[in-house]
Amino acid sequence: ILNVEQSPQSLHVQEGDSTNFTCSFPSSNFYALHWYRWETAKSPEALFVMTLNGDEKKKGRISATLNTKEGYSYLYIKGSQPEDSATYLCALVKQGGKLIFGQGTELSVKP
Amino acid sequence: DAGVIQSPRHEVTEMGQEVTLRCKPISGHNSLFWYRQTMMRGLELLIYFNNNVPIDDSGMPEDRFSAKMPNASFSTLKIQPSEPRDSAVYFCASSRREGGTGEQYFGPGTRLTVT
Repeated sequence: ILNVEQSPQSLHVQEGDSTNFTCSFPSSNFYALHWYRWETAKSPEALFVMTLNGDEKKKGRISATLNTKEGYSYLYIKGSQPEDSATYLCALVKQGGKLIFGQGTELSVKP
Repeated sequence: DAGVIQSPRHEVTEMGQEVTLRCKPISGHNSLFWYRQTMMRGLELLIYFNNNVPIDDSGMPEDRFSAKMPNASFSTLKIQPSEPRDSAVYFCASSRREGGTGEQYFGPGTRLTVT
């Protein structure tokens, strides 16, 4: 069974705090890694697709890094805002294209 | 661009009935994915298509579930007969790239309730 683990499960921060969370995966099965942002009552929205060891991607205040050899990716949010409140999902892509999603990290940013 | 379109948005049906969920991917996208979201199991991939051809259906729960993609602009997910444990939100997503290396664009989902 291929497990994609995300930690923490939930996170509560104050507006302006910077935060980060982790996605861990078996490195032997790596093909690509996706990060999605999922707001309540909406659909998942793509943030990043990462394929190369050492990849770093950035979109505004959100950035992500990837270490395929040790099997983890970090997502960082700088200066959290209430509108960042959402569940952040990572998904491992196996050879052949199948995506395995983690359970997500639920972020709550208080004003 | 209208994005990925799913219908119906909500479906309530009785156990034993046939349910058909529909999806129209974004024009020009080569891959289409069907997902199921439940509280217990999170977001699970059921099946995906590349260029209208099913590539991996290992996530389809059992023979009661079937999916088709007769052309590049339309796909269906059918459950027959439906059971209460099929109650979930079903998402369709499409991607420009094959093989899972492209961003996926999700539809609004169909909330299915089987009583």
